[in-house]
Amino acid sequence: SQTIHQWPATLVQPVGSPLSLECTVEGTSNPNLYWYRQAAGRGLQLLFYSVGIGQISSEVPQNLSASRPQDRQFILSSKKLLLSDSGFYLCAWSTGETEAFFGQGTRLTVV
Amino acid sequence: AQSVTQPDIHITVSEGASLELRCNYSYGATPYLFWYVQSPGQGLQLLLKYFSGDTLVQGIKGFEAEFKRSQSSFNLRKPSVHWSDAAEYFCAVGPGSGGSNYKLTFGKGTLLTVNP
Repeated sequence: SQTIHQWPATLVQPVGSPLSLECTVEGTSNPNLYWYRQAAGRGLQLLFYSVGIGQISSEVPQNLSASRPQDRQFILSSKKLLLSDSGFYLCAWSTGETEAFFGQGTRLTVV
Repeated sequence: AQSVTQPDIHITVSEGASLELRCNYSYGATPYLFWYVQSPGQGLQLLLKYFSGDTLVQGIKGFEAEFKRSQSSFNLRKPSVHWSDAAEYFCAVGPGSGGSNYKLTFGKGTLLTVNP
């Protein structure tokens, strides 16, 4: 069966520090991968999605970037965090034809 | 562009009462439709999905939803709510054709509170 792992679960980082959140999927090949951010009362905002290694589409211009160095690995990064980057980040995968399956999320607090 | 509206930000019901959460979507063709549930600090769990066929779909935990094309709606229902159903519920829409640009668009969610 397929599983998705996302870490860390919580993270407190100072303003101006770098960020790296990692997501891996097991049990499937060539998945579509997604990073969403969730802010209170604003639902889920799609940040990036990827249909293959090295292929990244950005939905919203911002202080973040994403990379997909391996088929089932998706990384969310920032060189210098801003206060406004605080939020709940969710990684998800799909076959590109059906529902998306979500990780457990990372609570990022920038202080 | 696809979009989803969940008109109710917060709903409170009593345990044992019936529940209906509203969802309206905007999409040029027949979409794929989903309902997810999220407990605090957790990821999203799929409750049910509609791709085609019977417009009344059954999901997990006793939930069902009905696709009404004429109203562009996909409302979630449960006949009798349990205290454990307290959570946030998200409606989502995806392009019905699938493909390499496949991505889901979510509503802003409805927070459900269940009173004893």
